[in-house]
Amino acid sequence: AQTVTQSQPEMSVQEAETVTLSCTYDTSESDYYLFWYKQPPSRQMILVIRQEAYKQQNATENRFSVNFQKAAKSFSLKISDSQLGDAAMYFCAYRSGGGSEKLVFGKGTKLTVNP
Amino acid sequence: GEEVAQTPKHLVRGEGQKAKLYCAPIKGHSYVFWYQQVLKNEFKFLISFQNENVFDETGMPKERFSAKCLPNSPCSLEIQATKLEDSAVYFCASSLGRDSLNQPQHFGDGTRLSIL
Repeated sequence: AQTVTQSQPEMSVQEAETVTLSCTYDTSESDYYLFWYKQPPSRQMILVIRQEAYKQQNATENRFSVNFQKAAKSFSLKISDSQLGDAAMYFCAYRSGGGSEKLVFGKGTKLTVNP
Repeated sequence: GEEVAQTPKHLVRGEGQKAKLYCAPIKGHSYVFWYQQVLKNEFKFLISFQNENVFDETGMPKERFSAKCLPNSPCSLEIQATKLEDSAVYFCASSLGRDSLNQPQHFGDGTRLSIL
């Protein structure tokens, strides 16, 4: 079974600075998808960014980018120019490319943004 | 609709009572997923549907949990004889389908279930 590990329970960053959240995963599959979701205190689950494993190019969405290292099974999220509204729980998630469509989540990283 | 709609937002039940949660997926989405998020923030997959058919039920506690997605009705997750450990936020998510590569799951706002 696939597992997702987020080794940083909590992180903090100064407003306007850059922060990187770590995520590693374990799988024997070659075809899969990776996601970062943001969960603010309102508990909404907001998709931040996604990456297809077959793409070598790292995904970017405005201030959010990933460092996808397939051989190392690593999928870190970089948030540039951090804003107060970025404060939330961030969850890394894995989805198989075949078979079950379910998401396997890490335990989350709580990000605090200091003014 | 344009959003996954979950009702109620908060449900309080006494231990041993039944709880029923509802989810209306985004119109046109053929996959529905149920996840349980416990107080430690951990997500657990429960069950998924492809239209009205069970697609993956590997996460469902079989004894007390059941779920349905019937045509022209919201999907439902029902817990019989609730226990304190069932207290959690239950999220429903929907997605377009497997033919659409890399389609993300869109989540509802969740139902907070409190068992007293």
